[in-house]
Amino acid sequence: QKEVEQNSGPLSVPEGAIASLNCTYSDRGSQSFFWYRQYSGKSPELIMFIYSNGDKEDGRFTAQLNKASQYVSLLIRDSQPSDSATYLCAVKRGRDAGGTSYGKLTFGQGTILTVHP
Amino acid sequence: GAGVSQSPSNKVTEKGKDVELRCDPISGHTALYWYRQSLGQGLEFLIYFQGNSAPDKSGLPSDRFSAERTGGSVSTLTIQRTQQEDSAVYLCASSLDPTGGEQYFGPGTRLTVT
Repeated sequence: QKEVEQNSGPLSVPEGAIASLNCTYSDRGSQSFFWYRQYSGKSPELIMFIYSNGDKEDGRFTAQLNKASQYVSLLIRDSQPSDSATYLCAVKRGRDAGGTSYGKLTFGQGTILTVHP
Repeated sequence: GAGVSQSPSNKVTEKGKDVELRCDPISGHTALYWYRQSLGQGLEFLIYFQGNSAPDKSGLPSDRFSAERTGGSVSTLTIQRTQQEDSAVYLCASSLDPTGGEQYFGPGTRLTVT
């Protein structure tokens, strides 16, 4: 089992629709959760982070976290063609989980999203 | 303000040569991270620094890879005796500190070993 798994995609949605991206993780010591957007040929860009169970909204983006189910998702409302990119889910251990690995991010393989006009 | 910068943006080298990749983090960020992204492996962690020390080097693939950070700022990733499997995009990120704070990536260095 991979540490961080994302729905493999590719995901194609029409312009104006809601895109739903999902991620599960295996390490129960994970405390911080991030969504990065990566355009082709570019580096990852942080778009959302969430640390507590529940929903967090920022503009058209909503991140949802359920630590009991080890599940995090990203919803993109009113999807635009400019949202077409690879979305990477990343998790980070908490410092109180022990060890020295609390600094690093562990990434999923990414989900390719295409928003068509 | 200025983001994370990396140099060179592209590097082509012959197998067996040594290369140095440089990262300049966001001003005030005490933590610095190196990752590698290749087609088959996704985005994988290599090493991170808190100040000038490296608490976690667990992602370095072999002893041909080393990194250092001086003055709590610039970091250099060195790959000795490069191999074709070292070809990848090397990404640097920084954050305020490793326990909290979000990581922001630089543009990356694309390394091609011929």
